Amino acid sequence: ETGVTQSPTHLIKTRGQQVTLRCSSQSGHNTVSWYQQALGQGPQFIFQYYREEENGRGNFPPRFSGLQFPNYSSELNVNALELDDSALYLCASNLGGFYGYTFGSGTRLTVV
Amino acid sequence: GQQVMQIPQYQHVQEGEDFTTYCNSSTTLSNIQWYKQRPGGHPVFLIQLVKSGEVKKQKRLTFQFGEAKKNSSLHITATQTTDVGTYFCAGANSGGSNYKLTFGKGTLLTVNP
Repeated sequence: ETGVTQSPTHLIKTRGQQVTLRCSSQSGHNTVSWYQQALGQGPQFIFQYYREEENGRGNFPPRFSGLQFPNYSSELNVNALELDDSALYLCASNLGGFYGYTFGSGTRLTVV
Repeated sequence: GQQVMQIPQYQHVQEGEDFTTYCNSSTTLSNIQWYKQRPGGHPVFLIQLVKSGEVKKQKRLTFQFGEAKKNSSLHITATQTTDVGTYFCAGANSGGSNYKLTFGKGTLLTVNP
């Protein structure tokens, strides 16, 4: 079975720009979550999608938005980038509910 | 909001010694999950605990969930160099349709061969 794949692996953006990160869920997984992980910290929950609808959101401003597509792939969009948005962005999928998550390798975003 | 705290932040052991990390939540959890992240890697799911007082074992790893479902621990017996990494607990709450997983800051384990 394929795991969770994310693209791109690394990205450098300028403050104020917009960015789109992509994720392909593990085969059979209908739920996808996005996390932000700053250096030396635990992953912070951004939001979760189940069957193309957001069903959970953490303490992130509206400029963080997402989409889940019918094939369960997903996008994370961040507008008006700030320096503090520099982090590893992780996508994770599962079968829904309380199952453990399979994480992708992440996208390292640097905002300059 | 919900907070999940882990101690210690760092732990350095000699190979063969035991290791324990503790996790405490500010609120009662639906379940707790444990993940391992190798340096430069991504979190890898280890286990999930759901029932009050639950204990699960995976070879040298023992996981416990507290009676009040607010705390948990991971114990590794006779550490090996392959155990190196950061261990995270993640508490799950499902309030209605809002599902959220809150990670602790993790415990970084280093093992001296």
